[in-house]
Amino acid sequence: GAVVSQHPSWVICKSGTSVKIECRSLDFQATTMFWYRQFPKQSLMLMATSNEGSKATYEQGVEKDKFLINHASLTLSTLTVTSAHPEDSSFYICSARGPQLGSEAFFGQGTRLTVV
Amino acid sequence: QKEVEQDPGPLSVPEGAIVSLNCTYSNSAFQYFMWYRQYSRKGPELLMYTYSSGNKEDGRFTAQVDKSSKYISLFIRDSQPSDSATYLCATLIQGAQKLVFGQGTRLTINP
Repeated sequence: GAVVSQHPSWVICKSGTSVKIECRSLDFQATTMFWYRQFPKQSLMLMATSNEGSKATYEQGVEKDKFLINHASLTLSTLTVTSAHPEDSSFYICSARGPQLGSEAFFGQGTRLTVV
Repeated sequence: QKEVEQDPGPLSVPEGAIVSLNCTYSNSAFQYFMWYRQYSRKGPELLMYTYSSGNKEDGRFTAQVDKSSKYISLFIRDSQPSDSATYLCATLIQGAQKLVFGQGTRLTINP
């Protein structure tokens, strides 16, 4: 299957700082990328959908000023958690789709964020 | 009612057993169906992908879609401890961007 690389796999940051998570499609053009948040033993919670070159569409209840998403190229999307607080600690996962893949979506490895 | 319902389990079976994982959905417009496997602290991995009704087999895994009853299944034959993971079903309407996921079923295969 197609490869989506997410970096870093884990990060610890201090409260009040910002953290950037990168998501790259390595062998296909990702016209659409998705960012999810997952709490322990729970399912995926979609945060936002981004199309290359466009502003992201955020799900209801997700603060767009806190979770900044950039999808500037067909292979890279970034999620920046601004002014992080301990309640932002979670597992963040990106997913990507592209015209070469049809309807399938592939996921990155996930990033475990811990805010102390 | 959620668009895709999946029993969260947990489901525990002995090694070698046949495992049946299931989801039901409410929107008849769903045409694409996927199963993902997620190990702890990892991103989901695409296991099976089917379009419309029918069966698809890949090694020990068989995906089955019954659109008349809005029911999708994943069967695992000769289950192994390495199959222990959370399994997520997902559906998609043609032309839509977002996949709709079930809650995931936690599966444990006991040696």
